[in-house]
This record gives sequence, structure tokens and C-alpha cells, in this order.
Amino acid sequence: DQQVKQNSPSLSVQEGRISILNCDYTNSMFDYFLWYKKYPAEGPTFLISISSIKDKNEDGRFTVFLNKSAKHLSLHIVPSQPGDSAVYFCAAVRTYKYIFGTGTRLKVLA
Amino acid sequence: GAGVSQTPSNKVTEKGKYVELRCDPISGHTALYWYRQSLGQGPEFLIYFQGTGAADDSGLPNDRFFAVRPEGSVSTLKIQRTERGDSAVYLCASSLSQGDNEQFFGPGTRLTVL
Repeated sequence: DQQVKQNSPSLSVQEGRISILNCDYTNSMFDYFLWYKKYPAEGPTFLISISSIKDKNEDGRFTVFLNKSAKHLSLHIVPSQPGDSAVYFCAAVRTYKYIFGTGTRLKVLA
Repeated sequence: GAGVSQTPSNKVTEKGKYVELRCDPISGHTALYWYRQSLGQGPEFLIYFQGTGAADDSGLPNDRFFAVRPEGSVSTLKIQRTERGDSAVYLCASSLSQGDNEQFFGPGTRLTVL
């Protein structure tokens, strides 16, 4: 039973445009949500988080939006850069336990 | 500063053999986590240590899997009688404390069971 879903396995975006990555979850009891970025042969690295009591968090080019009624979160990257090309995982967290989605491979075209 | 390190980076073994995977967390991090990432999937939680004790091992798939952290720092994930389905990348993460937002991940050990 997949509690966290990323329905788009891949996404291609032109450099300078906005990238929007989506994530859906099923459990209303999560405390917060995170996005991690993963390059090949490296571990995931933390990108940005959002508490379940917020609806937006911004850090530079990265903004995460949380829609609790729809149980949906999204990561916006603007402007997208070629170095952003990676696999992005959303994760939902309850206490210490992370539940990851299956990831979306973002390719930013120069 | 040094991040989370894992050894070996790659391990190839034969079905039925025993393997040990090692994780060195960030110095001073009391919480340590093991995850397994199969092809095309996100990391899946296996076990969580707070200090020396396994606070939650609910993600271990069966009793062939065991993990220890005897001195509250380095951890070893042990897999007995390996099966082809155990092939995956095993990731270790650490955080300053249980309630800390951010878990820092190591590069993983790619285990291949032939």
C-alpha cells in the first residue's frame, strides 16, 4: 500500500523555465514533508521541508506547496538549471519515520 | 566535515551467503537509520537506532536481517542466507537526534546477489 506517490516517473524542462514536481499522500497524520534530491551513485540530499501546519515554504529557487485538503504537495524550481537534473523524492514524516515516494527524474535541457 | 560513509560501495555475493554492510554516521549524531532502495523505488525504512538500541526494527523484512550499533556510533547491517530478492542499494542515514528534521544519507552499498 503506497502511502506516498509520485505519479510522474520523469520530467523534462527547458533551462530557465519552471519545474513542477508533484507528490500525493494518503495519511493525514504526517508531521511534515520533505524533498530530497539524488544524483547517481550518491545518497539523497535534503532540499527543503514543510510542516503540516504550513501551506508554503520557500528557499531561494525552491518552493514547496502543501494542499492538505487534497493531500498533495508540489515542488517548484524556478528558474530551472542544468545542475538541477537529478531524481527528486518526496517524503512524508511521522516522528522519525520517513516514507518516500518512488521519485521523479528531472532533466533540465540547456 | 565528514558525512555519512558506507562500506563497501559495492558487494557481489552468491545466493545463500552471509554479508555485512557498514555505516559510519556523522560524528555526534545519535540517531541512525537503515533504508533499502530497490530498482525504481524510493528508499524503504528498515530500522532505526537511538544510541545503541534499536528503537524500531519494524521495517526489517524477515529474520535473516539484523543490525547492530554496539557503541552508539558505527552500525552494521547483517544479512544471512542471502536471496536474489535482497539485491538493492542499502542506504544509511543519521541525524543529530530523533526529532531532527533532516536525515543525512550516505552514498549507499549496492548489494547484488547472484
